[in-house]
Amino acid sequence: GAGVSQSPSNKVTEKGKDVELRCDPISGHTALYWYRQRLGQGLEFLIYFQGNSAPDKSGLPSDRFSAERTGESVSTLTIQRTQQEDSAVYLCASGRGPGSMAHQPQHFGDGTRLSIL
Amino acid sequence: DQQVKQNSPSLSVQEGRISILNCDYTNSMFDYFLWYKKYPAEGPTFLISISSIKDKNEDGRFTVFLNKSAKHLSLHIVPSQPGDSAVYFCAASLSTDSWGKLQFGAGTQVVVTP
Repeated sequence: GAGVSQSPSNKVTEKGKDVELRCDPISGHTALYWYRQRLGQGLEFLIYFQGNSAPDKSGLPSDRFSAERTGESVSTLTIQRTQQEDSAVYLCASGRGPGSMAHQPQHFGDGTRLSIL
Repeated sequence: DQQVKQNSPSLSVQEGRISILNCDYTNSMFDYFLWYKKYPAEGPTFLISISSIKDKNEDGRFTVFLNKSAKHLSLHIVPSQPGDSAVYFCAASLSTDSWGKLQFGAGTQVVVTP
């Protein structure tokens, strides 16, 4: 499809397990972002990838969180030793990046709903 | 530290009337603002944006107003339609930060009643 694709759409796991979330951005989009939304809250920035530059990891809440991106394509967000407070919807967004003439809106996937039991 | 605030968690409006959503921010360096609309189980979709060099931007039924001195922006939807029922997020960015990195408010749930 033409949009941002995320998988799985839902994930339920036990506390202490590792989880891996996947994001396929829109083709040609050099910028990729991960956000999370906890229940009743706004979106919280986690990490930003732009081309081959070092990612901005300033939003990652702990060292249990990490993310990778292969070139300008797929990204995976990994959460190790999950805790109950990690339960949230994890949203991926992509955009055309700073080469654009002006700010371009980000295009979001439908998210992965993560539930930690 | 919540730099973007939407103090009204919900808003109910009659079909055909105007919906006014408010957003306040604390960082005077923000230079670009966006509104996103979100339906349940879907990702946010971009609605309208405004640069800090402007005080108004209009797109069809949607108008965003920016008051920099008050660090306040608002989204007007007129006339409101049943399909406008959704959660609306205000977001802000600053050009000195990672490009496109957004700070979001907590959202306002809009319900348009017949």
